[in-house]
Amino acid sequence: AQSVSQHNHHVILSEAASLELGCNYSYGGTVNLFWYVQYPGQHLQLLLKYFSGDPLVKGIKGFEAEFIKSKFSFNLRKPSVQWSDTAEYFCAGIWGTASKLTFGTGTRLQVTL
Amino acid sequence: NAGVTQTPKFRVLKTGQSMTLLCAQDMNHEYMYWYRQDPGMGLRLIHYSVGEGTTAKGEVPDGYNVSRLKKQNFLLGLESAAPSQTSVYFCASTSSGELSYEQYFGPGTRLTVT
Repeated sequence: AQSVSQHNHHVILSEAASLELGCNYSYGGTVNLFWYVQYPGQHLQLLLKYFSGDPLVKGIKGFEAEFIKSKFSFNLRKPSVQWSDTAEYFCAGIWGTASKLTFGTGTRLQVTL
Repeated sequence: NAGVTQTPKFRVLKTGQSMTLLCAQDMNHEYMYWYRQDPGMGLRLIHYSVGEGTTAKGEVPDGYNVSRLKKQNFLLGLESAAPSQTSVYFCASTSSGELSYEQYFGPGTRLTVT
């Protein structure tokens, strides 16, 4: 079965620090990858997605992710985090013609002032 | 458009009681999903549906049933609630025409079983 791994469970950063959250996916052919964000008390919102083409994907709020096929990775990055980025971040994937997403376990990001 | 809505937002049940969670979407999406979210475990798929009248099991289907009688609605039922079903439940939907399969999520239902 396909899987998505997020190895950072809880990350604490100071404002203006750079962010990189890891995401690895299992082999299984063609894959679409997503990063979702869940702000405290809210539902999941899409940050960005990789479908095909340019492996460097830019999303909302200054986030970006790079699809590196050779490393089975899709890490999320932001050059300078803000306090308002405090949230839980989920990486997810869908393979081939499957109709359901597989989520990672999430990374809780805490940004301190 | 309201997007994806869920009712109720909160519920407390006693062990053995039953309840139904309702998910509704107004985007004419074919696919609908029910997830549960537990600390440290991310989102786990309970059941899903790829069209009106069809349902399929996800990763953690035991103790739950679903129905998709209308395209816009997806119901999740707990016949006999157990404390292990204390969780936050999210519904999501997507279109089969959406090549990248972006899912749209509802606001969640926080369920506590005592």
